[in-house]
Formats: sequence, C-alpha cells, structure tokens
Amino acid sequence: QLVLTQSPSVSASLGASVNLTCTLSSGHSNYAIAWHQQQPEKGPRYLMKVNNDGSHSKGDGLPDRFSGSTSGAERYLTISGLQSEDEADYYCQTWGSGTRVFGGGTKVTVL
Amino acid sequence: EVQLLESGGGLVPPGGSLRLSCAASGFIFSNYAMSWVRQAPGKGLEWVSTISGSGRSTYYADSVKGRFTISRDNSKNTLSLQMNSPRAEDTALYYCAKDGANPWTPSDYWGQGTLVTVSS
Repeated sequence: QLVLTQSPSVSASLGASVNLTCTLSSGHSNYAIAWHQQQPEKGPRYLMKVNNDGSHSKGDGLPDRFSGSTSGAERYLTISGLQSEDEADYYCQTWGSGTRVFGGGTKVTVL
Repeated sequence: EVQLLESGGGLVPPGGSLRLSCAASGFIFSNYAMSWVRQAPGKGLEWVSTISGSGRSTYYADSVKGRFTISRDNSKNTLSLQMNSPRAEDTALYYCAKDGANPWTPSDYWGQGTLVTVSS
C-alpha cells in the first residue's frame, strides 16, 4: 500500500534551517513526491517536485532558500533562513497505480 | 496567471446531493488533468478524484467511489464534482487543483476551496 509518513511538527528559530522528511512506504522507494505549503487559513501552494534521484523542480516564484533532496525512501524539504511567513503546514504528495496520496502533514513553528 | 475558483458548497443533508464547480483560467484547460482534494476541519489533505485532460479517464478515492462523479467541460473551462449520498464524514473544504499534462503528476496550482457541510 502506498503510504507517506511525516513527522507531526517541528520548530526552529527565525533565521535557522529546518529539514522536513517524507518517507515512502516499503516497495515504493523510487516514487517521486511533491511538497505543498499551507499557511493558516489559506489554500495549499505547490512548492516543488522531488524525484528519486534527488533532482527537483520548483514552483513559480519559490525562493532559493527552499530546496529538496532524496535518500533512499526519504524525501526532504529544507528551508534555510526561516522567516515568519514560513510558519505553515507542509504536506508531501505522491501518485501512481490509479491513486494519489498525501502525507499527514508537518506543522512548522517559527520561534 | 492561473486562477481556480470553486463554488457550489453549502449545507446538504445526509443522502442528498450537491454539485461543486471550479472555473479555471490562465492556462489551456484541456491540456491538463484536474483533481479535487478535500480537508476536513482541523485535518490534513485527502485526495478525492482526478480526471484526465480529455475527460476520458477518471480516478476516485475508495471513500467516495460510487457516490461522487468528477467531470469537466473543456468548452467552458469548468471542472465539476457531483456529490450523491453524502455522509457526515464528507464534511470538508473542497479544493480544485490543476495537475500536469497527465494524471500522474503533481498538483501545481490550487484554488481557495468551497466548504461542504453534511448535516441534517
């Protein structure tokens, strides 16, 4: 079964870096994923697609301080130089075999 | 500029019916797959359904299969979701999302959502 696992929450100080993890279920480690950001009371925003080889393609206007990477079945979103507007929920998404799946989301708190 | 504007949400009794719409602009609508994604109050995102650019292929989450129908009118740049026999657990904010050229690509633009409340 295709499942994405995310940590529920992470916090970091203004200006620091934070690393979010999305883990693909067994047998699906070669899948690409996408990262989406949802700020409070807003609709989601597409951030980037992260492929199994670590390459990534960003959405329109996304600042360079957002980057993606891969290690095995794990896909990462790194936010450098945290800003107050980065406080949001972050969801990973994948697709295949007639279905789409979202992770449970990670809440990022900027201290 | 890509714009997606959902409408049609509201209060519907269990077992009733409701039709959601999404008006798309800023891109060649027929070239892209489209999806519906929902978010129950205080919960995460849940995929509901996806339709190919031509409309010939449709896909559904098990939770809505047989009750909801996704469709599109490429002449009017409109995506729809017909919700039949809704249940209390279908209460959520429903988002329309633009996908890539085929259904197995990320959603790269989202609307602001329309709220559906299933209650008697």
